[in-house]
Amino acid sequence: NAGVTQTPKFRILKIGQSMTLQCTQDMNHNYMYWYRQDPGMGLKLIYYSVGAGITDKGEVPNGYNVSRSTTEDFPLRLELAAPSQTSVYFCASSYSKTGGRNEQFFGPGTRLTVL
Amino acid sequence: EDQVTQSPEALRLQEGESSSLNCSYTVSGLRGLFWYRQDPGKGPEFLFTLYSAGEEKEKERLKATLTKKESFLHITAPKPEDSATYLCAVQGPFNTGGFKTIFGAGTRLFVKA
Repeated sequence: NAGVTQTPKFRILKIGQSMTLQCTQDMNHNYMYWYRQDPGMGLKLIYYSVGAGITDKGEVPNGYNVSRSTTEDFPLRLELAAPSQTSVYFCASSYSKTGGRNEQFFGPGTRLTVL
Repeated sequence: EDQVTQSPEALRLQEGESSSLNCSYTVSGLRGLFWYRQDPGKGPEFLFTLYSAGEEKEKERLKATLTKKESFLHITAPKPEDSATYLCAVQGPFNTGGFKTIFGAGTRLFVKA
């Protein structure tokens, strides 16, 4: 199993550009998550999904959108990139029948810089 | 307000010098407390889950404990390969249903040979 994979690994965007961060998991997990991690700060939950077709906002959803059309994929869309979105983005997944209490498996991250 | 505070921010140890990392939390309706290890440039890697006060988990040189207000990650006789950032996370319910995960800022551990 590859686990959780993310592409790209690095990206530089200009202010106002848009892009999609890709995330795929091959563990048949029902829960998937997007986090951002800023230097010296904890991970902040952007969006999460409890299954295909179901998504919900996390702590910091503004400026982002997600979709979940399949169990495996959970892309994160940035519209009109801003310098405040410069961060490292992590995708994660977990399996749970009891409301997400199980551990999360993380991808390697995407380092995004907006100039 | 729900929050997670980890201390110290950084910890420097000599090889073999045991110590503890602290994770203090305030969250209504704790569903679980998690410890992760994160190496530079990589995603967090799961270590432990604790669900109720009094629970303990062990793995090699690491032992995690949980009370109603905090968790400790005890490191016994650490080695240089234990150098990493250790993250604590708690899960609790959203007001609107569902759940949320709150991460602490982490403790950076440096172990010198």
